[in-house]
Amino acid sequence: AQSVTQLDSHVSVSEGTPVLLRCNYSSSYSPSLFWYVQHPNKGLQLLLKYTSAATLVKGINGFEAEFKKSETSFHLTKPSAHMSDAAEYFCVVSKAAGNKLTFGGGTRVLVKP
Amino acid sequence: NAGVTQTPKFRILKIGQSMTLQCAQDMNHNYMYWYRQDPGMGLKLIYYSVGAGITDKGEVPNGYNVSRSTTEDFPLRLELAAPSQTSVYFCASSTRGDGTEAFFGQGTRLTVV
Repeated sequence: AQSVTQLDSHVSVSEGTPVLLRCNYSSSYSPSLFWYVQHPNKGLQLLLKYTSAATLVKGINGFEAEFKKSETSFHLTKPSAHMSDAAEYFCVVSKAAGNKLTFGGGTRVLVKP
Repeated sequence: NAGVTQTPKFRILKIGQSMTLQCAQDMNHNYMYWYRQDPGMGLKLIYYSVGAGITDKGEVPNGYNVSRSTTEDFPLRLELAAPSQTSVYFCASSTRGDGTEAFFGQGTRLTVV
């Protein structure tokens, strides 16, 4: 079985300050991990993915995430938030067979000017 | 390149009515999925398909049916709509089942009254 816990349902940051979105996963095998972003009334867009290569993964729009097996974590960071980063972010784990994605509950990010 | 196309974007149903949510992809992906998104709950898998003629249940299949007669199309059928099926529905597709990226449609917002 696999599961994903996003530790914060809401995060509020000021524009230009760092963003940290926390994600812990549970999986009985080596997982593939993803971060997706959903802007209001839009579909989901892939930010980045980890598939057992480098543990520090760089994604689009300046986001990156670090896979830490010992901590079963895959936290998402960005050094400097932009107003356009206001959205909901989902941490996702994939089961290899069937590629069924298990989603965390989501973290809604608010960026203050 | 259209990607994953869902229709309709919005729909209001009365209790007991039926409808089909359409999903089509033009990327020749074998894997297709239907998810529902409830507020604060992340996305939950309803049904998925690993190829034409093959479908299987996800986490929350009750009250839904699917078919996959072609690689491109994966419609979701609601036979007797209930208020509990009020949700946003997302269709997605991916190339194969080993942690590859899933591409999502824009979603269908369904309200059952």
